[in-house]
Amino acid sequence: GNSVTQMEGPVTLSEEAFLTINCTYTATGYPSLFWYVQYPGEGLQLLLKATKADDKGSNKGFEATYRKETTSFHLEKGSVQVSDSAVYFCALTSYNFNKFYFGSGTKLNVKP
Amino acid sequence: SAVISQKPSRDICQRGTSLTIQCQVDSQVTMMFWYRQQPGQSLTLIATANQGSEATYESGFVIDKFPISRPNLTFSTLTVSNMSPEDSSIYLCSAEATGQGARGYTFGSGTRLTVV
Repeated sequence: GNSVTQMEGPVTLSEEAFLTINCTYTATGYPSLFWYVQYPGEGLQLLLKATKADDKGSNKGFEATYRKETTSFHLEKGSVQVSDSAVYFCALTSYNFNKFYFGSGTKLNVKP
Repeated sequence: SAVISQKPSRDICQRGTSLTIQCQVDSQVTMMFWYRQQPGQSLTLIATANQGSEATYESGFVIDKFPISRPNLTFSTLTVSNMSPEDSSIYLCSAEATGQGARGYTFGSGTRLTVV
């Protein structure tokens, strides 16, 4: 079956620190992989995505590379800001995009 | 991508009552989805709603508890029936913009439900 496992939070960092949030997956077939962000009091927003192996998704300084050999899609950012404080969800969809599987979410706190 | 307006944004309800959550999309969409996010947990798909057909429910969710309507291509409702404190969650709707596949998925801002 399909599932997503991501590192537990909360993660607390100082401003300008390097961020890694680990995400691994189990899937049948060839899934697409996503990172969503949920700011306090808001809904989910698509942060980045990758649809095939070795693709790199990037947005707002965040990056993640689809690694089929390690079934991973780790989220990274070189220098976090206070405004990046949010909950981050790793997710995958089946090949026909009719269902999302979400990880448990990782809360990021960035301190000035 | 489509923009979704979801309401109410939050509500506090008495046990035994029902609450209907509405999602309005600014464009026609093929598929709409309803998720539940229990406190401190991830999102769980409740059901998929296509216009003109019965909603398809995931394991553990039944129509009597979570009836869904999808009267047209831009609107859907989810009702949480006969509520108990265990139903306290955030409920989110999602939509796939027609023909865009994964690029076109968007989420509503959620309804934070507290049952007392």
